[in-house]
Amino acid sequence: EPEVTQTPSHQVTQMGQEVILRCVPISNHLYFYWYRQILGQKVEFLVSFYNNEISEKSEIFDDQFSVERPDGSNFTLKIRSTKLEDSAMYFCAGSGGVREKLFFGSGTQLSVL
Amino acid sequence: AQSVTQLDSQVPVFEEAPVELRCNYSSSVSVYLFWYVQYPNQGLQLLLKYLSGSTLVKGINGFEAEFNKSQTSFHLRKPSVHISDTAEYFCAVSRTSGAGSYQLTFGKGTKLSVIP
Repeated sequence: EPEVTQTPSHQVTQMGQEVILRCVPISNHLYFYWYRQILGQKVEFLVSFYNNEISEKSEIFDDQFSVERPDGSNFTLKIRSTKLEDSAMYFCAGSGGVREKLFFGSGTQLSVL
Repeated sequence: AQSVTQLDSQVPVFEEAPVELRCNYSSSVSVYLFWYVQYPNQGLQLLLKYLSGSTLVKGINGFEAEFNKSQTSFHLRKPSVHISDTAEYFCAVSRTSGAGSYQLTFGKGTKLSVIP
């Protein structure tokens, strides 16, 4: 089965630093998503992306967050100035259609010190 | 807004025994329902989904779930579990239309431990 690839698997950063989390979705997917899971809490929706623009975003996705798909393959999540509370597992996902099966990556564990 | 409650955070069960993982949801609008599984060090995989039609949905690995609208439940069942079913299971919902229809709202997850 095709896979969504996320890099790095672990990232450690200092508070206030910028981080970029990278995802390579499955090639024929059209819809892309970022979710996160803080340790011990629910998986939370951050943002959905279609046709090179954000289609929906949650309250978590404030001005410190941005997404882009600059070269038609990589899908990135940028956090401009990380906070301690940004420490979480971040999952990228993609699908061929809105109601179609979501394929998730194995996640990037972000630790903000 | 939607919410999902998974009543059991951990469920231990002996191998070859049946299991039921419970999920209740709350929503003021129509929703679609999903179960995902996460094996250690892996991403979330779709087990099954309910969009419409028969309320009994069959998924991969012998799992099934039944949508009960009156009880707002979508419990996951398997008649006989294997060691390989040890994983964390997440129930999720999404709106069928309108704002929020792109996003999944997840429960906190249930860790299933299958005991040999």
